Amino acid sequence: EPEVTQTPSHQVTQMGQEVILRCVPISNHLYFYWYRQILGQKVEFLVSFYNNEISEKSEIFDDQFSVERPDGSNFTLKIRSTKLEDSAMYFCASRWTGGWNEQYFGPGTRLTVT
Amino acid sequence: GIQVEQSPPDLILQEGANSTLRCNFSDSVNNLQWFHQNPWGQLINLFYIPSGTKQNGRLSATTVATERYSLLYISSSQTTDSGVYFCAVPGNQFYFGTGTSLTVIP
Repeated sequence: EPEVTQTPSHQVTQMGQEVILRCVPISNHLYFYWYRQILGQKVEFLVSFYNNEISEKSEIFDDQFSVERPDGSNFTLKIRSTKLEDSAMYFCASRWTGGWNEQYFGPGTRLTVT
Repeated sequence: GIQVEQSPPDLILQEGANSTLRCNFSDSVNNLQWFHQNPWGQLINLFYIPSGTKQNGRLSATTVATERYSLLYISSSQTTDSGVYFCAVPGNQFYFGTGTSLTVIP
């Protein structure tokens, strides 16, 4: 069964460093998402991406964050200058078409900022 | 945005017991998903259930969209059912509930 993959599974970085989290969505999906989950809290929406542009973003997704689909398969989340409070699990998700079909989530990347 | 509340927040069950988890949402939706977050943090799709009832093994879910709630039933619980259960609904973004943390003890 096709699945969303994410790399790395765990990343440790120092405050102020840039990180790039990578995702490979399911191949025929057209909508892509990033979510964040701080330890012990609920999952929060960050951004949605369709047709090579951001379609929706939350207030969390400030200028420190950016997303890109550099080729036909990868979808990346960049955090320019990490802060301690960026420590969280980051999930990528994808879905097929318009409307609110089922979203498929990747296994997550645990980001630890020290 | 849409408010999504889940109850109970915590649940401890003896292995073999049944349970019902509830998800209430504040606005009309045309989609709802249930997820199980396992102890490793992975989100596992359980159900995509905009309305009606679906069953998958020991789990079933019912969504009554007109009354803005969904229920997840777990029967004959097993220790592997432990983890956090989230429901999520779409609006301008995808809104997750607060979660129910389930612990099944042998």
